[in-house]
Amino acid sequence: DIQMTQSPASLSASLGETVSIECLASEGISNDLAWYQQKSGKSPQLLIYAASRLQDGVPSRFSGSGSGTRYSLKISGMQPEDEADYFCQQSYKYPPTFGSGTKLEIK
Amino acid sequence: EVQLQQSGAELVKPGASVKLSCKTSGYTFSNYYMSWLKQMPGQNIEWIGNIYGGNGGTGYNQKFKGKATLTVDKSSSTAYMDLSSLTSEDSAVYFCARKGYYGYNSYFDYWGQGVMVTVSS
Repeated sequence: DIQMTQSPASLSASLGETVSIECLASEGISNDLAWYQQKSGKSPQLLIYAASRLQDGVPSRFSGSGSGTRYSLKISGMQPEDEADYFCQQSYKYPPTFGSGTKLEIK
Repeated sequence: EVQLQQSGAELVKPGASVKLSCKTSGYTFSNYYMSWLKQMPGQNIEWIGNIYGGNGGTGYNQKFKGKATLTVDKSSSTAYMDLSSLTSEDSAVYFCARKGYYGYNSYFDYWGQGVMVTVSS
């Protein structure tokens, strides 16, 4: 299975700060990478697909980039409602696999 | 509006089986795959398998073969997952999620609310 190594495990950010979360795949995944946000007690919500495409309805402060084995999610201007867990996920090879998650908190 | 509504929390005894449901609305059920995923506290989300709404064709994560059985009822646009021979390791939150596509890329674009399964005597 493709391993997805996500960093950092946790992160504190001030309101308005720009934050980045990284995901490293154990082999190339050809941009078949999605990012999800999960708030406490809720189901994950799709933010980004195909590494950089913004899901409908997701604020434009969220962006994704990367290629090959390295991908990142950027939040440009932290908002209170962005406090959540974030996961990356590859669908390049079966089975789809997820990163271990990043807990993002407000400083 | 696409909606995936899962059945309620389950408390089951070790060795027993449980059947979870995921009733959908707002899209053509037979045109999409439905996946099931497992989330345990502090652990990575795991993909269990998927099933095509059109013909019931399935694919499973090798880890969950023999543990999970996926079925659909097209008439009610509902997906089901049977979990058998339950142990404490099966205690988790289980999600259904629709598989979306962009070219060759796929992702989970809509999720159910999740259902907590607790295995305890």
